[in-house]
Amino acid sequence: EPEVTQTPSHQVTQMGQEVILRCVPISNHLYFYWYRQILGQKVEFLVSFYNNEISEKSEIFDDQFSVERPDGSNFTLKIRSTKLEDSAMYFCASSGEFRETQYFGPGTRLLVL
Amino acid sequence: QKEVEQNSGPLSVPEGAIASLNCTYSDRGSQSFFWYRQYSGKSPELIMFIYSNGDKEDGRFTAQLNKASQYVSLLIRDSQPSDSATYLCAVNMYGGATNKLIFGTGTLLAVQP
Repeated sequence: EPEVTQTPSHQVTQMGQEVILRCVPISNHLYFYWYRQILGQKVEFLVSFYNNEISEKSEIFDDQFSVERPDGSNFTLKIRSTKLEDSAMYFCASSGEFRETQYFGPGTRLLVL
Repeated sequence: QKEVEQNSGPLSVPEGAIASLNCTYSDRGSQSFFWYRQYSGKSPELIMFIYSNGDKEDGRFTAQLNKASQYVSLLIRDSQPSDSATYLCAVNMYGGATNKLIFGTGTLLAVQP
């Protein structure tokens, strides 16, 4: 069964460093998303991406964040200068159609020290 | 503020019983509703989706939607210890103009052997 994959599974970084989280969405899906979940809190939407551009972003997704689809399979989330409060699980998701079911990857646990 | 609300639990049921999980949402224009299961430290895993008023059954799971009351529920029949997890209600709100999901905080279900 097709699935969303994410790398790395864990990332530890120093405050102020840049991190890139990588995702491979399900191959025939067209819509891609990043969500995050701070420990003990709810899953929060960050950004959605369609047709090689951001279709929607939340207030959390400020200028420190960017997304890219560098090739036909990968979808990345970059945090330019990490802050302590960026420590969270980051989930990539993809869906085949607008408002269709979103399938989540296993997540990347980011710890900013 | 557009919200999805769930009782955080824990909801404790004996093995073999029916577990009933509830969710309310604030946006009357919401059109798509999803139940995800999340084991501790893992990513959300889709259980069911429902778009129309009424019941939708899939194996031991039944989703119920009442748009007039802005209420969606998940019933788990013949609950098993392996069903013990946090159940997340997610809603595609804003009248379908967006495909981001708004999540509730989740209900922790504990099935006692």
